[in-house]
Amino acid sequence: DGGITQSPKYLFRKEGQNVTLSCEQNLNHDAMYWYRQDPGQGLRLIYYSQIVNDFQKGDIAEGYSVSREKKESFPLTVTSAQKNPTAFYLCASSRAFSYNEQFFGPGTRLTVL
Amino acid sequence: GQQVMQIPQYQHVQEGEDFTTYCNSSTTLSNIQWYKQRPGGHPVFLIQLVKSGEVKKQKRLTFQFGEAKKNSSLHITATQTTDVGTYFCAGLWSGGSNYKLTFGKGTLLTVNP
Repeated sequence: DGGITQSPKYLFRKEGQNVTLSCEQNLNHDAMYWYRQDPGQGLRLIYYSQIVNDFQKGDIAEGYSVSREKKESFPLTVTSAQKNPTAFYLCASSRAFSYNEQFFGPGTRLTVL
Repeated sequence: GQQVMQIPQYQHVQEGEDFTTYCNSSTTLSNIQWYKQRPGGHPVFLIQLVKSGEVKKQKRLTFQFGEAKKNSSLHITATQTTDVGTYFCAGLWSGGSNYKLTFGKGTLLTVNP
């Protein structure tokens, strides 16, 4: 089955630790995205990648980093510089950047204690 | 940056009643997409509207794009408990090399059986 996988579903970390969230897609999509979802805030774009080996900051990139070394993978690192890291993180992909529908993974709920 | 305002934030209806959520932009959109997120789930693409005045239907769901391409609506006729979830609009503005989809904050629909 084609789709997007994110792991783990739930993640707990201590304050001050970096943590990397996994996102893998086998849809052969060029574009991939990371969103953060907080209650009542909708989806806010953290980083996006239009094509492999390229990525750009979204609206709330501070305290986050990404890489896009392979077309199917777009991991997100939440660094200790992110002031409020506890949130629901969603990865998405689309056939081409922005214009096409986005397919979302199941999400990772990160809790920083 | 560009924003889409979505109202209402919450809507509670009795099963069988109609429901409408509205999305507005202060500037002309290139296209608009609608997504549904079930409680505990991830957003799922519903539809994309591109043309001025466009109306599309999916069973009990009717999507409209305004003549000026600055607003959109999603109307559900005779709601069912399966309609429960948060409905997001996401707007795209043309111009520039890095235009990206921007999500509204969503409307949470609850249905009383």
